[in-house]
Amino acid sequence: GENVGLHLPTLSVQEGDNSIINCAYSNSASDYFIWYKQESGKGPQFIIDIRSNMDKRQGQRVTVLLNKTVKHLSLQIAATQPGDSAVYFCAERLQGAQKLVFGQGTRLTINP
Amino acid sequence: GAGVSQSPRYKVAKRGQDVALRCDPISGHVSLFWYQQALGQGPEFLTYFQNEAQLDKSGLPSDRFFAERPEGSVSTLKIQRTQQEDSAVYLCASSLSSGPVGELFFGEGSRLTVL
Repeated sequence: GENVGLHLPTLSVQEGDNSIINCAYSNSASDYFIWYKQESGKGPQFIIDIRSNMDKRQGQRVTVLLNKTVKHLSLQIAATQPGDSAVYFCAERLQGAQKLVFGQGTRLTINP
Repeated sequence: GAGVSQSPRYKVAKRGQDVALRCDPISGHVSLFWYQQALGQGPEFLTYFQNEAQLDKSGLPSDRFFAERPEGSVSTLKIQRTQQEDSAVYLCASSLSSGPVGELFFGEGSRLTVL
């Protein structure tokens, strides 16, 4: 399953399928990007990050892709599991700044 | 515990009351951030501390909001004369690094409801 950015804030996928969550970031001067997972009633939890000098980074079951030309970030989750159900936020940091700017978020739901 | 601790987890205030929200960051973490998260939205930056110094308060929505971290550890976010639009979850996060790249560890937040 794949969403096409902020126009589709909810993504439903079948358990075991791969999920792709997209994010359009706002500032070409951003040099660091993070994906967070937020479960209901909890704070955001770090998933994976990527610097602007990279275009791909892999973690355990997750991959982040960065396309600076079109200011696009995506999170791929392999073999989606029920525990992956949450809201996923991308966040960007302006070069030299400290604060993170978060996107709207995408709710990922897993169908059994 | 080893994580960021926030209290209270839930706070109900009548409009016009003052509230104080506490954050205990991870021990030794230099950087501390406060974010405000409205229902269904992403977190919005409020303010940033490096040790005891408040280096960025550009996100504080009005002069009713005040944050401090006097000894470079525990931080308090104070909201005076609360309004209904202040209802949100207030998230605290800390980071070991004082540089621009570093993983932020978030607490579970304090949910403020203003009646």
